[in-house]
Amino acid sequence: GAGVSQSPSNKVTEKGKDVELRCDPISGHTALYWYRQSLGQGLEFLIYFQGNSAPDKSGLPSDRFSAERTGGSVSTLTIQRTQQEDSAVYLCASSRGSRSGEQYFGPGTRLTVT
Amino acid sequence: AQSVTQPDIHITVSEGASLELRCNYSYGATPYLFWYVQSPGQGLQLLLKYFSGDTLVQGIKGFEAEFKRSQSSFNLRKPSVHWSDAAEYFCAVGEDNYGQNFVFGPGTRLSVLP
Repeated sequence: GAGVSQSPSNKVTEKGKDVELRCDPISGHTALYWYRQSLGQGLEFLIYFQGNSAPDKSGLPSDRFSAERTGGSVSTLTIQRTQQEDSAVYLCASSRGSRSGEQYFGPGTRLTVT
Repeated sequence: AQSVTQPDIHITVSEGASLELRCNYSYGATPYLFWYVQSPGQGLQLLLKYFSGDTLVQGIKGFEAEFKRSQSSFNLRKPSVHWSDAAEYFCAVGEDNYGQNFVFGPGTRLSVLP
């Protein structure tokens, strides 16, 4: 079946604008993760959804960042009032959620804030 | 909290040479350990993982890694590197496989000389 997909692949926005990034996980995967990868950096955990449980938002860097997951499937990461330091690649991953399930990553969305 | 270090930012090897990428972690209990590879413009792909049992784990693409508790290390090895192995490699540690407390290292970029 299809892997994790993300859209758009690239997004250029002006400082102060809001952006929405979309993630379509693998069908049947109950767990979904968002990460941020800044240039030359490792991956920074942002948020985690598991089934119908309340999401773990502990990685969100500020209240300008939010995410939702509708119907236990598609997820949207929203960044309000974007800043230049938000420029990064945003990666989404999904997993079966079991203790042995590996995370499958999407290709990412490259966000550039000008 | 767990942490991961990858001491080598960039490594260059000749095609056919052996490879070892270093990973050191800090975690109080037995960690869940992972190696991911990110090819240019691609998402992350899991190479291998260690949860328990045999400390030498085999992964895809001819890679292996050895968990050494005494050294808090999980180094990735390959006996003979191929040009297609040029990529960014990330070590990650988690306290479980759900990703809630999942930390990625900063990555090691591998270049392969013909």
